[in-house]
Amino acid sequence: NAGVMQNPRHLVRRRGQEARLRCSPMKGHSHVYWYRQLPEEGLKFMVYLQKENIIDESGMPKERFSAEFPKEGPSILRIQQVVRGDSAAYFCASSPPSRRNTGELFFGEGSRLTVL
Amino acid sequence: DQQVKQNSPSLSVQEGRISILNCDYTNSMFDYFLWYKKYPAEGPTFLISISSIKDKNEDGRFTVFLNKSAKHLSLHIVPSQPGDSAVYFCAATLTSGTYKYIFGTGTRLKVLA
Repeated sequence: NAGVMQNPRHLVRRRGQEARLRCSPMKGHSHVYWYRQLPEEGLKFMVYLQKENIIDESGMPKERFSAEFPKEGPSILRIQQVVRGDSAAYFCASSPPSRRNTGELFFGEGSRLTVL
Repeated sequence: DQQVKQNSPSLSVQEGRISILNCDYTNSMFDYFLWYKKYPAEGPTFLISISSIKDKNEDGRFTVFLNKSAKHLSLHIVPSQPGDSAVYFCAATLTSGTYKYIFGTGTRLKVLA
């Protein structure tokens, strides 16, 4: 299965703890995107990364949130000192380096974070 | 500021009939539009897209119509099948930039057998 892999699928944290969400893009894809879906809302862009570079983080909250996509290994979305409002589904997507396609993003199944 | 709006949170359609899902946008700079389908506990999957230089794109049972002057697009599913029951999101982006999609809030389609 060469799809976008996210883990964990479900994560429960208490307020003040840290959450780390991982994403392995599809084979051959070098661009990774993180989106967040709050209850009853659409997906909202958070950050766009290429290997070792953050290209666009305009959707990331200014504090407590960070993302990386190292040369080796998965992309990681890190949320420090979680609060109840961070409870959401976090989706990772990837795309190939070439723009000669339909422009679609390939999404993973999401990581559902619950903050108690 | 919701730049992409799906004003109908839900829609029920009889099997075999046409489903029409609507989407409005406010940013006239958007030049590429997509529809995604999402089943519960799964990630969104790409359905169909349209560039702003076109007003219609068809793929099997799915057709997307774009009315640039009205800043409106719609997805038609004909004939509707029970397996089409899902949440449908429209999204808009700028092809000159990144894949930074702006998603609507989704419409839950239920196709009744």
